[in-house]
Amino acid sequence: QKEVEQNSGPLSVPEGAIASLNCTYSDRGSQSFFWYRQYSGKSPELIMFIYSNGDKEDGRFTAQLNKASQYVSLLIRDSQPSDSATYLCAVNPAGGFKTIFGAGTRLFVKA
Amino acid sequence: GAGVSQSPSNKVTEKGKDVELRCDPISGHTALYWYRQRLGQGLEFLIYFQGNSAPDKSGLPSDRFSAERTGESVSTLTIQRTQQEDSAVYLCASSGLGSGANVLTFGAGSRLTVL
Repeated sequence: QKEVEQNSGPLSVPEGAIASLNCTYSDRGSQSFFWYRQYSGKSPELIMFIYSNGDKEDGRFTAQLNKASQYVSLLIRDSQPSDSATYLCAVNPAGGFKTIFGAGTRLFVKA
Repeated sequence: GAGVSQSPSNKVTEKGKDVELRCDPISGHTALYWYRQRLGQGLEFLIYFQGNSAPDKSGLPSDRFSAERTGESVSTLTIQRTQQEDSAVYLCASSGLGSGANVLTFGAGSRLTVL
């Protein structure tokens, strides 16, 4: 079992819709969870992080964490073509700061 | 510096040669990470440095790979006797202390092509 799993996609949504990206992780003791965005040919950049169960909102982005289910998601409201990118889920397993990434989900937002 | 700086940005080498990749982290960032990203794939953890602690080398794929870092400054990733499967973008990231302690800032990457 991979430490961080994501559906590779591609996920295609129309402009203005909600995009929902999902991630599961294997280390139940993991404490920190991150979403990064990577445009083609570019390096990853942080969108947001979440440490506590529940929802965390930042503009059009909402991260959701459910530690009991070992599940973290990212919702993008009012999706724009500029949101088209690969979204990487990342986790710090228990006991350390080593950050493990999922393989990423490719998102296409159609104008 | 203002960001994470990596060099070279592109490196083409012949199979069997050694290569050295360099990373200059954000000033004051105590943690430094190396990742490998093959074309169309995710980020593969290689090694992590935190201050003067022993590095976490658990991701290095073989003994051909090694990395060094002096204190909280520049790091070099060395790949000996390169193989074609080493072709990838090698990404360096650094992070600092505080509420966003584990937030990684990435460099632009070093693209390695082994012929």
